[in-house]
Amino acid sequence: QKEVEQDPGPLSVPEGAIVSLNCTYSNSAFQYFMWYRQYSRKGPELLMYTYSSGNKEDGRFTAQVDKSSKYISLFIRDSQPSDSATYLCAMKKGGSEKLVFGKGTKLTVNP
Amino acid sequence: DVKVTQSSRYLVKRTGEKVFLECVQDMDHENMFWYRQDPGLGLRLIYFSYDVKMKEKGDIPEGYSVSREKKERFSLILESASTNQTSMYLCASRASGGRAKDEQFFGPGTRLTVL
Repeated sequence: QKEVEQDPGPLSVPEGAIVSLNCTYSNSAFQYFMWYRQYSRKGPELLMYTYSSGNKEDGRFTAQVDKSSKYISLFIRDSQPSDSATYLCAMKKGGSEKLVFGKGTKLTVNP
Repeated sequence: DVKVTQSSRYLVKRTGEKVFLECVQDMDHENMFWYRQDPGLGLRLIYFSYDVKMKEKGDIPEGYSVSREKKERFSLILESASTNQTSMYLCASRASGGRAKDEQFFGPGTRLTVL
């Protein structure tokens, strides 16, 4: 079983839709959870950061972590064409420098 | 503004050539990373460095080496390039210490093709 599993999609939605992106993981030692967004021909950039379980909201984006189910989610409300990108989940253990990434989900938001 | 730059956006090399990929960051970060990104495989860590002259192997170090002689610069070396090293190479850096500084800042990537 891979440490981090992420459905690669692709996912195509109409503008204004609510988007749900998910990752599951197997290592219960992960404590820090991140979502990166990567536009075409660019490097990834940090979008959301969460420590341990719970929700975090930033504008139209909400990150959820459920450590009991080893499941993390990113919700995008009122999706826009500018949200079209690949979204990568990432996580790490406390005291570790290494991030473990999911394979990324490619999202297209159609006008 | 935070910046990580990579020496080339696109590079074409021949099998057996020695290849140098350079990465420079202007944020005075202690930690630097080299990843490769392939379709269906995602981002995989090759090497990282937590200080000048220090290096640690990542998940796929075979066929690669690294050099960090100055804090701001981290080089990835392919001693003898092979076709299976055709990939997108991404460099990243991050500061040390503190939960709030877990963010890795990525460069734009180098698309390497080995013929």
